[in-house]
Amino acid sequence: QMQLQESGPGLVKPSQTLSLTCTVSGGSISTGGYYWSWIRQHPGKGLEWIGYIFDTGGTYYNPSLKSRVVIAADSSKNQFSLKLTSVTAADTAVYYCARDEDAFDIWGQGTLVTVSS
Amino acid sequence: EIVLTQSPATLSLSPGERATLSCRASQSVNSYLAWYQQKPGQAPRLLIYDASNRATGTPARFSGSGSGTDFTLTISSLEPEDFAVYYCQQRSDWPLTFGGGTKVEIK
Repeated sequence: QMQLQESGPGLVKPSQTLSLTCTVSGGSISTGGYYWSWIRQHPGKGLEWIGYIFDTGGTYYNPSLKSRVVIAADSSKNQFSLKLTSVTAADTAVYYCARDEDAFDIWGQGTLVTVSS
Repeated sequence: EIVLTQSPATLSLSPGERATLSCRASQSVNSYLAWYQQKPGQAPRLLIYDASNRATGTPARFSGSGSGTDFTLTISSLEPEDFAVYYCQQRSDWPLTFGGGTKVEIK
């Protein structure tokens, strides 16, 4: 059964770059038909889709974050990653990676990233 | 951006009662709407996709209906494990968006 696991620093300083990796097990990210997403949830708030990468390597980002986001994939490691630049306290959130096939059917457990000096 | 408005914000019910949750879209999303359940400290879990299709493992007491702009998630008889927050999400247009959530709490 496929599983996703986020990893990366839990604390990032303001103006720096947030970098997270999602490791996929139990299946290949190169399998056609899936989109590999990042989603975040501010403390006590709702869900915000950040963007995704297709199996072909194409990407689509939420316009609200587009200027600061890069999502990439490394098929050799079966991972995909998120980079969010110039972070502020408003980027403090739980970050989830998820597989999208008609809906977000498989999620990682999430990782809390706090932006603070 | 398609805005999804969920109502009510909080639903206070007792186990065994029927729960009816609403999600309204600011423009048509056809049937491209999903429902998720989230419990404290956990990732969301997919319940329903494409408005009315139960995801693998979703109990039959959960059902989804609607199309266009108005959607409903119904829990026919609440079990203790169903008290949680529920979100709707559309995939009709980019950016993908979520509703603000409905909390189903024990009365």
